[in-house]
Amino acid sequence: QVQLVESGGGVVQPGRSLRLSCGASGFTFSTYALHWVRQAPGKGLEWVAVISSDASDKYFADSVKGRFTISRDNSKNTLYLHMNSLRTEDTAIYYCARDGRNGDYGGWFDPWGQGTLVTVSS
Amino acid sequence: DIQMTQSPSTLSASVGDRVTITCRASQSISNWLAWYQQKPGKAPNLLIYKASSLESGVPSRFSGSGSGTEFTLTISSLQPDDFATYCCQQYNSYSYTFGQGTKLEIK
Repeated sequence: QVQLVESGGGVVQPGRSLRLSCGASGFTFSTYALHWVRQAPGKGLEWVAVISSDASDKYFADSVKGRFTISRDNSKNTLYLHMNSLRTEDTAIYYCARDGRNGDYGGWFDPWGQGTLVTVSS
Repeated sequence: DIQMTQSPSTLSASVGDRVTITCRASQSISNWLAWYQQKPGKAPNLLIYKASSLESGVPSRFSGSGSGTEFTLTISSLQPDDFATYCCQQYNSYSYTFGQGTKLEIK
């Protein structure tokens, strides 16, 4: 079955960097756009970034633009989120999610991984 | 950015009730709206996409409607497994925003 598994979360000091990974299985990874979505403790969901199937297009939320980058390795079925200049407000569970439409941007997220917690604290 | 306003924020209901949750967009989004269910400690789960399309495997008691700026999620007859938080999400020009969520509680 389709599965997404995030890793790389942890505790990091403000201003430092962290890289999250998302391993995928059960579908043709190279034909789907992929997203990162986060959820601060006790708060709602916030979309972070999307990367197209061939990595030619990348879009970011204003809150992370210029600090976060997104990449993928289609040969390894893995999605990445590179987070730089981390702030306390970046503390959240980070989910990777597959775009809902094969070969294009569908506008919805399905399925989601189980999430990885990033805590930014001194 | 397009803002999504969801109501109510909390809803108390009983098994067997029919419930409706509303989501309003700050500008027209056509039918680019999805609904998710989230249980504590779990990732969200897609219920409805493109405003009214039922995701495969989701029970038919869930339905979505609306277009433009007004959307609704309806659960026709609440089951014990349905008590959770529900969230809408819009897509517009490579930007995605979520509503703040509706917590559905047992009355």
